[in-house]
Amino acid sequence: DIQMTQSPSSLSASVGDRVTITCRASQSISSYLNWYQQKPGKAPKLLIYAASSLQSGVPSRFSGSGSGTDFTLTISSLQPEDFAIYYCQQSYSTPRTFGQGTKLEIK
Amino acid sequence: EVQLVESGGGLVQPGGSLRLSCAASGFTFSGYSMNWVRRAPGKGLEWVSYISSSSTTIYYADSVKGRFTISRDNAKNSLYLQMNSLRDEDTAVYYCAREGIVGLDYWGQGTLVTVSS
Repeated sequence: DIQMTQSPSSLSASVGDRVTITCRASQSISSYLNWYQQKPGKAPKLLIYAASSLQSGVPSRFSGSGSGTDFTLTISSLQPEDFAIYYCQQSYSTPRTFGQGTKLEIK
Repeated sequence: EVQLVESGGGLVQPGGSLRLSCAASGFTFSGYSMNWVRRAPGKGLEWVSYISSSSTTIYYADSVKGRFTISRDNAKNSLYLQMNSLRDEDTAVYYCAREGIVGLDYWGQGTLVTVSS
């Protein structure tokens, strides 16, 4: 199975900050990497697919990059509604493993 | 508008069974693969199972293999998860999710399964 490791596990930041979350795969997954946002009591929401493609309706302050084993999610200027948990997921092979999540909190 | 609505969750004793359903609307259900994903209390997301659009390809996480069965009825626009031999560690919110071109692009609101005596 492919293991997905996110860092950091938690992060405190302020509105307007630039934030980067990283995700590392235990083997190459090409660009089969997706990012999700989950707020309390809500379903996860797809933000980025295929490592760098922005899902329809997602604000342009979100961006993704990387290929192979190392990937990043960047939020260019944090907004109040961005405080949530973020997960990466590989769709290269089954089981389609998720990272452990990164909790983004208000400083 | 794409909608996925799960049902069938509840409280069940260890060793018991439950059948989850996911009603789909707003898209051509028979044209999409579907997944079940769960989130246990205090934990992260865990992918559970996948079924292709015509049910020809099915995958399970090792943690549920042999106990859970995914199925679908394209005539009824519905996805199912039959869960048998339930364990405490199966306690979670279960989500159905549509598989887009890449990634899970639509999710239901989830249904809570609690396994406890």
